[in-house]
Amino acid sequence: DIQMTQSPSSLSASVGDRVTITCRASQDITNSLNWYQQQLGEAPKLLIYTASSLQSGVPSRFSGRGSGTDFTLTIGGLQPEDFGTYFCQQSYSVPYTFGQGTKLEIK
Amino acid sequence: QLQLQESGPGLVKPWETPSLTCTVSGDSIHSSSFYWGWIRQSPGKGLEWIASIYHSGATYYTPSLKSRVLISVDTSKNQIFLKLSSVTAADTAVYYCVRVVAGKGDVWGKGTTVTVSS
Repeated sequence: DIQMTQSPSSLSASVGDRVTITCRASQDITNSLNWYQQQLGEAPKLLIYTASSLQSGVPSRFSGRGSGTDFTLTIGGLQPEDFGTYFCQQSYSVPYTFGQGTKLEIK
Repeated sequence: QLQLQESGPGLVKPWETPSLTCTVSGDSIHSSSFYWGWIRQSPGKGLEWIASIYHSGATYYTPSLKSRVLISVDTSKNQIFLKLSSVTAADTAVYYCVRVVAGKGDVWGKGTTVTVSS
């Protein structure tokens, strides 16, 4: 199975900050990397697919980059509704696997 | 608007075989070109892909669960089912139904909690 490792596991930031979350795959997954946001008590929501494509309806302050094994999710100008937990997921090969999550908290 | 609604037994005893149902509204499973799947989330193991199915019956199972899981679909009722056998406390989780597009879950249900306890 492909292992997905996110860093950091948690971070604190303020409204208006720019934050970056990293996801690393245990092998080359080309650009088959997706990002999800999960608010407390809710289901995950797809934000970005194929590493850098913004899902319909997702604000443009979210952006993704990377290919191969190293990927980043950047939120430019944090808004109050952006706090929650973020997960990466590889869709390169089955079984599809997720990172352990990055909890983004208000400073 | 596509909506997925999971339902399940809630509390089950060890070694039982609970069945979960996902009811799809706003799209037809039979006519869509999507896979449909189940993903679970537990504090101990995080998010875990369980299984996926196409309306034709083609299926995929995560190898670690394949021997205990059965996914099926009833296109006439627009429902997807998951049966998990011989459950233990490790199967306690929130179970989500998802629409699968190119390996990603683009629409999720709200989830149903399964707690395994005697």
